[in-house]
Amino acid sequence: DAKTTQPTSMDCAEGRAANLPCNHSTISGNEYVYWYRQIHSQGPQYIIHGLKNNETNEMASLIITEDRKSSTLILPHATLRDTAVYYCIATDSNYQLIWGAGTKLIIKP
Amino acid sequence: ETGVTQTPRHLVMGMTNKKSLKCEQHLGHNAMYWYKQSAKKPLELMFVYNFKEQTENNSVPSRFSPECPNSSHLFLHLHTLQPEDSALYLCASSQRTDSSYNEQFFGPGTRLTVL
Repeated sequence: DAKTTQPTSMDCAEGRAANLPCNHSTISGNEYVYWYRQIHSQGPQYIIHGLKNNETNEMASLIITEDRKSSTLILPHATLRDTAVYYCIATDSNYQLIWGAGTKLIIKP
Repeated sequence: ETGVTQTPRHLVMGMTNKKSLKCEQHLGHNAMYWYKQSAKKPLELMFVYNFKEQTENNSVPSRFSPECPNSSHLFLHLHTLQPEDSALYLCASSQRTDSSYNEQFFGPGTRLTVL
């Protein structure tokens, strides 16, 4: 079973910030949280990962709560091309990624 | 481009056919993966290779046979498949698989249809 829970779907207006929440209350202290996205029928694309600190790169920001029980992926200025399924992922005891159903994010003009 | 290529991109085969999927990574990674993604289902890990050695086989039926001749190439040999094996087959690579940090890079996938 996935260690993360995410909303099934979300909408966001083009040009606005998209905030995607994820709960991961059972991850251990040394487990990373990864975010990937998958545009329809393509391979998943890595977005960002974090352990304890907030992270930012050219695609997104990742805000992790101090207790590490949840995080939020922020796409600062969403475009139509950001429409995709977004996966918040933890790992199993063998360090393998555990994929859930993700959040279907729809960016609306 | 992620540095991971897969061929073919689309494959239609009968249940009695034998075919192979190919994956190649140009990232200098040591770990490679096969995943299966059926319609409306999460990605399912099938096989993991670390430094050419198979480290995981997640109860995959024997009609799927992986081969990893070197760290850059991964094959999935298919024989006597069933219609329910129709799915998107994804290959991924990472630096290594025995670390808590496991960023994976994915290929575009092979869309397989079994008739």
